[in-house]
Amino acid sequence: EVQLVESGGGLVQPGGSLRLSCAASGFTFSDHWMNWLRQAPGKGLEWVVNINQDGSETSYVDSVKGRFTVSRDNAKNSVYLQMNSLRAEDTAVYYCAKGGTVPIPADCWGQGTLVTVPS
Amino acid sequence: QTVVTQEPSFSVSPGGTVTLTCGLSSGSVSSSYYPAWYQQTPGQAPRTLIYNTNTRSSGVPDRFSGSILGNRAALTITGAQADDESDYYCVLYMTSAIWVFGGGTKLTVL
Repeated sequence: EVQLVESGGGLVQPGGSLRLSCAASGFTFSDHWMNWLRQAPGKGLEWVVNINQDGSETSYVDSVKGRFTVSRDNAKNSVYLQMNSLRAEDTAVYYCAKGGTVPIPADCWGQGTLVTVPS
Repeated sequence: QTVVTQEPSFSVSPGGTVTLTCGLSSGSVSSSYYPAWYQQTPGQAPRTLIYNTNTRSSGVPDRFSGSILGNRAALTITGAQADDESDYYCVLYMTSAIWVFGGGTKLTVL
């Protein structure tokens, strides 16, 4: 069974940093793109970033470029999201998601971790 | 900037059929956008329904189907049930390897 478990969320002041982690199990982690998506309170889903199988390719939504960095450690079956210069508008539940064998931003989802940046 | 559009809300009667759509503010949706559909109930993580236009995710009943209708991607639910009452999101694959979600459709079953 695929499992994705996010951690690292919390309350952080504007301008601060946070590192999210996602531990994956139940599939061959190194074979899949991984994604981070988010959902602000009461709002819709937003794709944030993806990373390819060996970490050599990444793409970011414009609003986080230069502030967020995705990485992965295939030996630890984990993907990370380093978030710097956080803003109130980054407040959201952040989901880790597994990519599929065809382009798809989220084949399987974690339960999410809440990041709160007060205004 | 291209916007992905969805109906804000829709209602369907129990047992009925409903088609939700996903379009672009400029241009037509085709299979090359790899449209995917997600279902979400309040407080829960999203559930993957459809990907690659019309491929059902594992465990998704065949009451849910995806297609391209005209210039939009479509999600059709047949034999609607009470627990289909959810928010439904589509997402499209844009150039530069980014994904853009629509604003979601709130489906009411009544």
